[in-house]
Amino acid sequence: KQEVTQIPAALSVPEGENLVLNCSFTDSAIYNLQWFRQDPGKGLTSLLLIQSSQREQTSGRLNASLDKSSGRSTLYIAASQPGDSATYLCAVYSNDYKLSFGAGTTVTVRA
Amino acid sequence: GAVVSQHPSWVICKSGTSVKIECRSLDFQATTMFWYRQFPKQSLMLMATSNEGSKATYEQGVEKDKFLINHASLTLSTLTVTSAHPEDSSFYICSAKWTSGFTGELFFGEGSRLTVL
Repeated sequence: KQEVTQIPAALSVPEGENLVLNCSFTDSAIYNLQWFRQDPGKGLTSLLLIQSSQREQTSGRLNASLDKSSGRSTLYIAASQPGDSATYLCAVYSNDYKLSFGAGTTVTVRA
Repeated sequence: GAVVSQHPSWVICKSGTSVKIECRSLDFQATTMFWYRQFPKQSLMLMATSNEGSKATYEQGVEKDKFLINHASLTLSTLTVTSAHPEDSSFYICSAKWTSGFTGELFFGEGSRLTVL
């Protein structure tokens, strides 16, 4: 069974600082990996999808890397803003399209 | 494109009653949908896989008689929480897989918050 771990569980930084969020998974036979953002009481917003053949994906201030062999992915958020405050979830696809989620990293960006 | 809608967004019900949550793919066909549950401060846990025209497949520990899933059309799956109790209070989210071929990602509904009094 795939286990997904996210470290740290919570993170508080001043505005402008870069964020580094870590995700690890136990089974390297993944299909894809996806990062989501979840605001309190809300659903999921997809941030980045990394296919298993890719090593990274970028969108604006966001960059996500994937190292399948070591079972790790990292989400970088450059020049953080108060609007980036949210919980960030890492999720791994298995070959039967099922998603396994990490517990998330709750980010607070202080103005 | 690839929009998934859930209804209702939130619902409050009395203990012992049943509640139905709908998950619709608005602009694509989805033969497979997934239902997740999220308790406060916890991550999403897969409850079941819903397949159009066949019985749902439940994850270990999920009571199939309590969480009834019906996937009667290519665009609609419903989750019915039967005889709801306060411990069933949770955030329920569905996701859908594109029938025409897996695009590499699932598409999520906005979620439904259930509160059982």
